[in-house]
Amino acid sequence: DAKTTQPNSMESNEEEPVHLPCNHSTISGTDYIHWYRQLPSQGPEYVIHGLTSNVNNRMASLAIAEDRKSSTLILHRATLRDAAVYYCILRDLTGDYKLSFGAGTTVTVRA
Amino acid sequence: DAGVTQSPTHLIKTRGQHVTLRCSPISGHKSVSWYQQVLGQGPQFIFQYYEKEERGRGNFPDRFSARQFPNYSSELNVNALLLGDSALYLCASSRMARYEQYFGPGTRLTVT
Repeated sequence: DAKTTQPNSMESNEEEPVHLPCNHSTISGTDYIHWYRQLPSQGPEYVIHGLTSNVNNRMASLAIAEDRKSSTLILHRATLRDAAVYYCILRDLTGDYKLSFGAGTTVTVRA
Repeated sequence: DAGVTQSPTHLIKTRGQHVTLRCSPISGHKSVSWYQQVLGQGPQFIFQYYEKEERGRGNFPDRFSARQFPNYSSELNVNALLLGDSALYLCASSRMARYEQYFGPGTRLTVT
C-alpha cells in the first residue's frame, strides 16, 4: 500500500482556517487521495476525495500538488465540532477497495 | 435516511468463546466492509463484501470470517477469541465497492 505521512497533531482556534498537510511521495497514477475523520467515540466519516484537481464540498476543500506527491485538507472555519482525528488515505480504485488508515492527525480546536 | 447500524453496541466475552457481530448498511448500498480498531490506532481492514461475494480480505487469521446476506446486511464472526481481539469493530457500507464508505458507530468487544 502506498503510504502517507501526516503530522501527529495540530491546534487551531475556533472560526479560523485549518490546513492539514499530507505527504504521499510514492503515490501511483491510479491512487485517489481520500480524507476521513473520526470524531471522539464515533466511526470514521468521509470528508472528501480527489485525483488530480482541487476539490470542494460543503465540509472542506482538498488542494492537490501538481506532482501529486502532497495534498492539503482545508477546513475553512474550524468549529469545536471539527475536533477529530483526520486520516489521509490513498485508495487505488483499480485494485481492492479497502481503506488503509494510518495514525492520522489529531486536530484540537480552541474556543 | 438511517445510517449504518451495528449490533450489539457493547459486549463482553471470555477467551476461547465465539462472537457474531451484525451490520445493516444504508438502504441502497450493496457493499459492506469490516474494520478492527484497537485503542489508539487507526482502523485496520478485515473484509469487504459486494453483492454477497468477498471482494477483499485483510491480514487477519482464519478465526475471522464474514458473510453478506441477500438483503446486503452482514455478519462478522470471530472464533476462539483472544485477549488481543478486544477492539472496536466497525462496519462501513458503500453504494458500490469503489465508492466512499459510510461507517457505523461500531461494536465494542472486550475479551476477558
